[in-house]
Amino acid sequence: EPEVTQTPSHQVTQMGQEVILRCVPISNHLYFYWYRQILGQKVEFLVSFYNNEISEKSEIFDDQFSVERPDGSNFTLKIRSTKLEDSAMYFCASSDTLTTDTQYFGPGTRLTVL
Amino acid sequence: KNEVEQSPQNLTAQEGEFITINCSYSVGISALHWLQQHPGGGIVSLFMLSSGKKKHGRLIATINIQEKHSSLHITASHPRDSAVYICAASYNTDKLIFGTGTRLQVFP
Repeated sequence: EPEVTQTPSHQVTQMGQEVILRCVPISNHLYFYWYRQILGQKVEFLVSFYNNEISEKSEIFDDQFSVERPDGSNFTLKIRSTKLEDSAMYFCASSDTLTTDTQYFGPGTRLTVL
Repeated sequence: KNEVEQSPQNLTAQEGEFITINCSYSVGISALHWLQQHPGGGIVSLFMLSSGKKKHGRLIATINIQEKHSSLHITASHPRDSAVYICAASYNTDKLIFGTGTRLQVFP
């Protein structure tokens, strides 16, 4: 069964460093999402992406964040200058259509900022 | 403000018990999702519904549009059902708004 994959599973970085989190969505899906979950808190929407551009973003997704689909398969989230409060689990998801369809989640990347 | 509220926050059950988890939301949702988060953190979609009822194995999800309420039921619960169950809503936008989750533990 097709699945969303994410790499790395765990990333440790120093405050102020840039990180890139990678995702490979399900191959025929058109809509891509990033969510984050700070330890002990609920999952929060960051950004959605369709047709090579951001379709919606949350207040969390400020200028320090960017997303890209550099080729036909990868979908990346970049944090330019990490802060301690960026430490969280980051989930990528994809869907065939809009949010009236099921979203398929990757296993997550645990980001730890020291 | 579009929000999603879940209850209870924590739930323990004996194997075989019937379990209900509740979710309430604001007006105007386009779809309501139920998801399961495993102890390792991975999230699996269980149901997406906008009306009525859906069933998959021992899991049943219902939604009452008038009362702005959805329930997830687990029949004949089993220890492997232990997980966090999350309700999430979409309000005619791309994003899902998540509830805080219900931590379920089923004991043998």
